[in-house]
Amino acid sequence: EDQVTQSPEALRLQEGESSSLNCSYTVSGLRGLFWYRQDPGKGPEFLFTLYSAGEEKEKERLKATLTKKESFLHITAPKPEDSATYLCAVHGQGAQKLVFGQGTRLTINP
Amino acid sequence: DVKVTQSSRYLVKRTGEKVFLECVQDMDHENMFWYRQDPGLGLRLIYFSYDVKMKEKGDIPEGYSVSREKKERFSLILESASTNQTSMYLCASSLIGLEQYFGPGTRLTVT
Repeated sequence: EDQVTQSPEALRLQEGESSSLNCSYTVSGLRGLFWYRQDPGKGPEFLFTLYSAGEEKEKERLKATLTKKESFLHITAPKPEDSATYLCAVHGQGAQKLVFGQGTRLTINP
Repeated sequence: DVKVTQSSRYLVKRTGEKVFLECVQDMDHENMFWYRQDPGLGLRLIYFSYDVKMKEKGDIPEGYSVSREKKERFSLILESASTNQTSMYLCASSLIGLEQYFGPGTRLTVT
């Protein structure tokens, strides 16, 4: 069974303090790993898709990386507006649906 | 830009009422999904559809049904709403095997 575990559950940083969020996964053949951002009371917003180990994607202060067992979402010099819950999901071979992690709630203090 | 819209942002219904939640996407996606999201339980898949008039049960289909008469529209139906169906409902769509795009969500309260 495909599984996704995100850590930490919650992370509080000061503005400008870089850090990383972890997404560990087990899947029988990876078709894609997805990162989403979700603000309170809103639907998840798509950020990145990663398909194979070694792949990296960047968007503003965010960079997602992928290995065969985990993905990291690196946040460089974050700002308060980066505060949100970040969700990771995987799509396994032969699966019809995504498997989501529980998310990491990120708070950036000014 | 992909756009997924949901019929209501907030909805309050009484126990036993029949509830319709509608979702429309404008990107000609084959796949559409209904999730509910509750604190501590994350996103849970209720139903999905990979083609018009096709539907598949997700992880928690009990108490729900769906309808997909047109490619762009996917409806979630609560036949007889109960208080344990109070939740945030999220619709999503995707091309086969690719990222899902979510709507803004409907916060449903059943009293």
